[in-house]
Amino acid sequence: EAGVTQFPSHSVIEKGQTVTLRCDPISGHDNLYWYRRVMGKEIKFLLHFVKESKQDESGMPNNRFLAERTGGTYSTLKVQPAELEDSGVYFCASSQDESYGYTFGSGTRLTVV
Amino acid sequence: AQKVTQAQTEISVVEKEDVTLDCVYETRDTTYYLFWYKQPPSGELVFLIRRNSFDEQNEISGRYSWNFQKSTSSFNFTITASQVVDSAVYFCALSGSGNTGKLIFGQGTTLQVKP
Repeated sequence: EAGVTQFPSHSVIEKGQTVTLRCDPISGHDNLYWYRRVMGKEIKFLLHFVKESKQDESGMPNNRFLAERTGGTYSTLKVQPAELEDSGVYFCASSQDESYGYTFGSGTRLTVV
Repeated sequence: AQKVTQAQTEISVVEKEDVTLDCVYETRDTTYYLFWYKQPPSGELVFLIRRNSFDEQNEISGRYSWNFQKSTSSFNFTITASQVVDSAVYFCALSGSGNTGKLIFGQGTTLQVKP
């Protein structure tokens, strides 16, 4: 089975620009999560989708971040406008059920200059 | 509130040494899951183990072993006879029942295994 796929793997943008990250979960996984790790710190939860619905978005840092999951398949995370502190690695994970564990993608390394 | 603490920021060992990575957690849930993930230099998060709160049996998988002690809220990870390929960042994480299933991660421990 294909794993969780994230695009792009790296992105370098200028402050003020817009970037869209994409995550393709494992087929059949209703749960999709976004996480972020900024330089040297812990990996922090951003939000959780169940199918196309946002179950928990308590970790979203501010309204410059917009996540969507149209049709309950892939998800996008848009940052607009990007700020320097948004730099970090953005991970996506999917799961069938928490008792089955979570599968993470390889992450997108975002650098805002 | 839930919290995971990995007090060791960086550990450096010489190949073939044994090394233990500490993880202490806080939760009020009676049912919860604990995880360890490995992040090699390539960047992806690799699942290592999941343990639920009702199973305190220690687990061994090859050179890896895990010691879960509810009495001390710890879930430590030991690598026996370390190898250079074990060099990575290791994250301990907690997921509680009744919430959305999100993971609470520790800060990560960077392990460097020198030849």
